[in-house]
Amino acid sequence: QVKLQQSGAELVKPGASVKLSCKTSGYTFSTSYMSWFKQIPGQSIEWIGMIYAGDGGTGYNQKFKGKATLTVDTSSSTAYMDLSSLTTEDSAVYFCATYYSAPFDYWGQGVMVTVSS
Amino acid sequence: DIQMTQSPASLSASLGETVTIECRASEDIYNGLAWYQQKPGKSPQLLIYNANSLHTGVPSRFSGSGSGTQYSLKINSLQSEDVASYFCQQYYNYPYTFGAGTKLELK
Repeated sequence: QVKLQQSGAELVKPGASVKLSCKTSGYTFSTSYMSWFKQIPGQSIEWIGMIYAGDGGTGYNQKFKGKATLTVDTSSSTAYMDLSSLTTEDSAVYFCATYYSAPFDYWGQGVMVTVSS
Repeated sequence: DIQMTQSPASLSASLGETVTIECRASEDIYNGLAWYQQKPGKSPQLLIYNANSLHTGVPSRFSGSGSGTQYSLKINSLQSEDVASYFCQQYYNYPYTFGAGTKLELK
């Protein structure tokens, strides 16, 4: 079955960077799209961007350009998101999600990123 | 960006009741709309896509309708496990955008 397993919670200092991972299984990763989302607890959800694993082509929400960088490793069927120059406003839960048979029908469990000194 | 206006922000209903959540897009999104259910501490779960297609495994008491800029999610015969937050999302145009959410509680 399709599974998206995200890395564990992160506590990072302001100004630092963090790399989140989303390891997939159960489907053909190399011809799929992966999107990433941000959700501050108790608030709505924002789409950060997407990457096509076939060629690494990306599309970003303008709001997150320069903040997030999406990459993939097809050998391990894993998607990554780098978040740079972190501030307290980046503290949130981040999700990966893919389109298997319907838009965003499979999601990772989410990872909490806390930015604090 | 396409703005998604979702209402109500919160909703209290009794078991067995029918509830409706609305979502209005700032422009025509041509049925490129999904509804998600999210329980505390969990990831969103797809309920409806393409405005009215029921995702596999989702109970038939959930249904979606609408077109153009106006869409709705209906839950028939409310069950206790339906207590959650619900979000609409448009995926017709980039950037994909979400409604603010509706928190559904039991009366």
